[in-house]
Amino acid sequence: AAGVIQSPRHLIKEKRETATLKCYPIPRHDTVYWYQQGPGQDPQFLISFYEKMQSDKGSIPDRFSAQQFSDYHSELNMSSLELGDSALYFCASSITPRVGEQFFGPGTRLTVL
Amino acid sequence: GIQVEQSPPDLILQEGANSTLRCNFSDSVNNLQWFHQNPWGQLINLFYIPSGTKQNGRLSATTVATERYSLLYISSSQTTDSGVYFCAVGGSSNDYKLSFGAGTTVTVRA
Repeated sequence: AAGVIQSPRHLIKEKRETATLKCYPIPRHDTVYWYQQGPGQDPQFLISFYEKMQSDKGSIPDRFSAQQFSDYHSELNMSSLELGDSALYFCASSITPRVGEQFFGPGTRLTVL
Repeated sequence: GIQVEQSPPDLILQEGANSTLRCNFSDSVNNLQWFHQNPWGQLINLFYIPSGTKQNGRLSATTVATERYSLLYISSSQTTDSGVYFCAVGGSSNDYKLSFGAGTTVTVRA
């Protein structure tokens, strides 16, 4: 069965650089969620999109932005990277927001040096 | 937001042992999922179980929504069961994001 695809899987950046993470949801899933998991922590919700519109927003820094495109893939853009942005970033998708189960991608491990 | 508490925080098992992990949540939910995070960081969906009981091989789960808790049972544990188990819940009809508990770290020794 098709799963959520995230790219890249690993990313190393310097402080103050910019990073773009991509997420391709399961086919026919129209809702995408982004989560951030710091070292030794549980995943924290960042932002979600339903039918290409932002549907909910969590503790996402102003330096981060995201969007969902016409083909339903999503991109998380991170600027002015800080050491504290080093984390595992997960994308999840669901068939609609109202059909609950979220399926998670393998994650992108971002390291900021 | 919804508060999620998992217990115990750590669990050490001998291979072949059975165990029960608990997840308490502070409000009614429309989504509850159990995940296993492996040593490589991948979050593996175990169960989508906002209510009722499900079984999948050596794993089973029960959610009693009216009493706001869920249990994950691991039977005949294997070393590959090691990792962190997360419970995550989604709340009201307009709140679809998942709130995670702090996880239970399971170590299965051969």
